Amino acid sequence: DGGITQSPKYLFRKEGQNVTLSCEQNLNHDAMYWYRQDPGQGLRLIYYSQIVNDFQKGDIAEGYSVSREKKESFPLTVTSAQKNPTAFYLCASSIGGGLAGGEQYFGPGTRLTVT
Amino acid sequence: QKEVEQNSGPLSVPEGAIASLNCTYSDRGSQSFFWYRQYSGKSPELIMSIYSNGDKEDGRFTAQLNKASQYVSLLIRDSQPSDSATYLCAVTAGGAQKLVFGQGTRLTINP
Repeated sequence: DGGITQSPKYLFRKEGQNVTLSCEQNLNHDAMYWYRQDPGQGLRLIYYSQIVNDFQKGDIAEGYSVSREKKESFPLTVTSAQKNPTAFYLCASSIGGGLAGGEQYFGPGTRLTVT
Repeated sequence: QKEVEQNSGPLSVPEGAIASLNCTYSDRGSQSFFWYRQYSGKSPELIMSIYSNGDKEDGRFTAQLNKASQYVSLLIRDSQPSDSATYLCAVTAGGAQKLVFGQGTRLTINP
């Protein structure tokens, strides 16, 4: 059963704590992405990776960090430096390359609440 | 100017009618265009992709692309209450495999 998994579905943290969100895919996709969605808004790109051991900042990378040690996994750490971390976090993957490489498939998301 | 613009709605359409969703984009270098459907509290689901000018049909959905006008649209025929969702337009950014999303149009189909 192929797909993208994110865990946990809901996450609660105290201000000042770092937290790591998990994203795993078994689609054999090369590219992976992290987005943030705030209520009533579209998606904003945090980080993306087109190949193992390489990643690039998206539009709102400040206060976040990622790693891509395995093709299947792309965890996102929300650090205490992120000023407004409460949001819905979405991980996506795509085959990468070519016109269809932009077809991104999303995991179920993690809803993070920081108080 | 936002890179990808959509009417935020809400757009209300009677059941059985055609729903028309529009999107404009600013990057003339964009090559790939996508429509995602997002139900409340859920993640986006890819429903249509289009790469060349003209129409592309898939069941009740038709995507239309006009690169000269930098315009992409989604038509939903015979709208059903289950089509009620937010529809996100996404466009590849420059030559990279990044997507830029519009803010989404909330569609409500009234029985």
